[in-house]
Amino acid sequence: DSGVTQTPKHLITATGQRVTLRCSPRSGDLSVYWYQQSLDQGLQFLIQYYNGEERAKGNILERFSAQQFPDLHSELNLSSLELGDSALYFCASSVDLGGGDNEQFFGPGTRLTVL
Amino acid sequence: AQKVTQAQTEISVVEKEDVTLDCVYETRDTTYYLFWYKQPPSGELVFLIRRNSFDEQNEISGRYSWNFQKSTSSFNFTITASQVVDSAVYFCALSEAFGGNYQLIWGAGTKLIIKP
Repeated sequence: DSGVTQTPKHLITATGQRVTLRCSPRSGDLSVYWYQQSLDQGLQFLIQYYNGEERAKGNILERFSAQQFPDLHSELNLSSLELGDSALYFCASSVDLGGGDNEQFFGPGTRLTVL
Repeated sequence: AQKVTQAQTEISVVEKEDVTLDCVYETRDTTYYLFWYKQPPSGELVFLIRRNSFDEQNEISGRYSWNFQKSTSSFNFTITASQVVDSAVYFCALSEAFGGNYQLIWGAGTKLIIKP
């Protein structure tokens, strides 16, 4: 158990809908990362938050957004869903002391299926 | 641009054989970190090892060993005396400074099948 929790575990929804994925980092970790794992694109970095502020953006679509709250949990919002958004979405956290030598601990993932 | 290549899409061996998973990376940074993660059929990502670019010492952890060679930009992973429980997808990843941020760049993964 990595200490990172993600809810829900599975999510099935229809095209055009909006969903919210939730992540609670390990106690003491300030950074939260979101990754998408799909069959055709593999594992891709989406976005990183550090202590409530957006720190880095990867291949995140404009239909997707995220935020990190004062208690450090994070939510990833996916809107106007398309079939291609079906994927496993991982959240990871790290202490992030700024030196780069930060192991990222991954949550169990949320499997999103868009029908 | 940074990139991680895992050329072996799938490897199948019989239990107790040794197996090496290859990882080749590209980066312009002099400071970077390399990782291996395991993704078993249950789906979670399990951290195996982190290596920074200044430490070329090979590492051994039980049946697992890693060979880091900066000269060939490779960070290969060997499992000795493989077991069925080693069956999983293994990912190599690179983390480098990008405006001070260290998100992971992933290889495509190698699916390892260990047959009894």
